[in-house]
Amino acid sequence: EAGVTQFPSHSVIEKGQTVTLRCDPISGHDNLYWYRRVMGKEIKFLLHFVKESKQDESGMPNNRFLAERTGGTYSTLKVQPAELEDSGVYFCASRLSRDRVGGYTFGSGTRLTVV
Amino acid sequence: SQKIEQNSEALNIQEGKTATLTCNYTNYSPAYLQWYRQDPGRGPVFLLLIRENEKEKRKERLKVTFDTTLKQSLFHITASQPADSATYLCALRSPYNAGNMLTFGGGTRLMVKP
Repeated sequence: EAGVTQFPSHSVIEKGQTVTLRCDPISGHDNLYWYRRVMGKEIKFLLHFVKESKQDESGMPNNRFLAERTGGTYSTLKVQPAELEDSGVYFCASRLSRDRVGGYTFGSGTRLTVV
Repeated sequence: SQKIEQNSEALNIQEGKTATLTCNYTNYSPAYLQWYRQDPGRGPVFLLLIRENEKEKRKERLKVTFDTTLKQSLFHITASQPADSATYLCALRSPYNAGNMLTFGGGTRLMVKP
């Protein structure tokens, strides 16, 4: 089966610009998560979708970040306007609710650099 | 809030030896604990999951132990190979979070020398 796909793999934007990251989870996975790793820090949770509904967005840094998952399939994460501290690697992961023994399947991430 | 500590220094071992990585947590016992492998430029790859009521889990050359008294998990790779060189991440799921959000440690880099 295809894995979790994220694009772009890299993005370099100027401060103040807008960037949209996309995640295509494994087909049929109802849970979709966004995580972020900033330089020198551990991977941190941003938010969680169950199908098209936001289950938990407690990790979103501020209102410059907007995530959507229309139709319960792919998800987008928009940063507007981008700031320097938003630089990092953004990971998407998906999981099937009824899977009690497996882990998450992560994408390769989008490396965002804000200059 | 939960804090997870992994040795931030790289672990260097000789091929064929057993690598042992440590994950310590500071707060409540997690519902379960997972170990992931991460290679440069890639996302974490799931390896093993162990629940709070389990002491040990094995998968091929991998073994994970879980001690809720010590608040610690150990991750072992036996008969290590250079291909095992990567960063290994420990992640905990809170028993209080229904969404299965994970809290990650910073990871330990393992280098296996031929």
